[in-house]
Amino acid sequence: QKEVEQDPGPLSVPEGAIVSLNCTYSNSAFQYFMWYRQYSRKGPELLMYTYSSGNKEDGRFTAQVDKSSKYISLFIRDSQPSDSATYLCAMEAGNQFYFGTGTSLTVIP
Amino acid sequence: NAGVTQTPKFQVLKTGQSMTLQCAQDMNHNSMYWYRQDPGMGLRLIYYSASEGTTDKGEVPNGYNVSRLNKREFSLRLESAAPSQTSVYFCASRGTGEDGEKLFFGSGTQLSVL
Repeated sequence: QKEVEQDPGPLSVPEGAIVSLNCTYSNSAFQYFMWYRQYSRKGPELLMYTYSSGNKEDGRFTAQVDKSSKYISLFIRDSQPSDSATYLCAMEAGNQFYFGTGTSLTVIP
Repeated sequence: NAGVTQTPKFQVLKTGQSMTLQCAQDMNHNSMYWYRQDPGMGLRLIYYSASEGTTDKGEVPNGYNVSRLNKREFSLRLESAAPSQTSVYFCASRGTGEDGEKLFFGSGTQLSVL
């Protein structure tokens, strides 16, 4: 079993839709939870990170962590064509970062 | 504002050939990482270096060696390339202070082994 599981999609939504991306994990030692966005043929870029359980909001993006269920989510409101990318969840423990496989998102104008 | 610079961007090798992927960061970061990214497998850690002079194996180290030449540079070497090493390779460095949980990635090296 992989430490981090993520549905690869692909996910296709109309512009303006609310998008929900999710990951589950098995390692209780994870404390920091991150979402990276990766455009085609580019390196990943950090979108948001949260520490422990709870919600964090940044503009149209909300990251949610539920440590009791070992489940994290990223919500994108009012999705835009520029949001079309692959979204990777990541978690950190012991100076190592563990990534999900990524979910490919396409927002259709 | 260079950030993390990787060279080369593309490379084609024949089975058995060797090569070194170069990575340099200009942000004075301590920790550096090498990942490979394959379809359906996500980013998998090959090696990392928590600080200058130290290196540690990650999830998939077989067939690779690394050198942390100084604080800026962290190279990845394939001694005898195999088709299974066809992948996109990313170097990253870990931020400090407020950016301590942030990985800064290079633009990647697309490697094909024939």
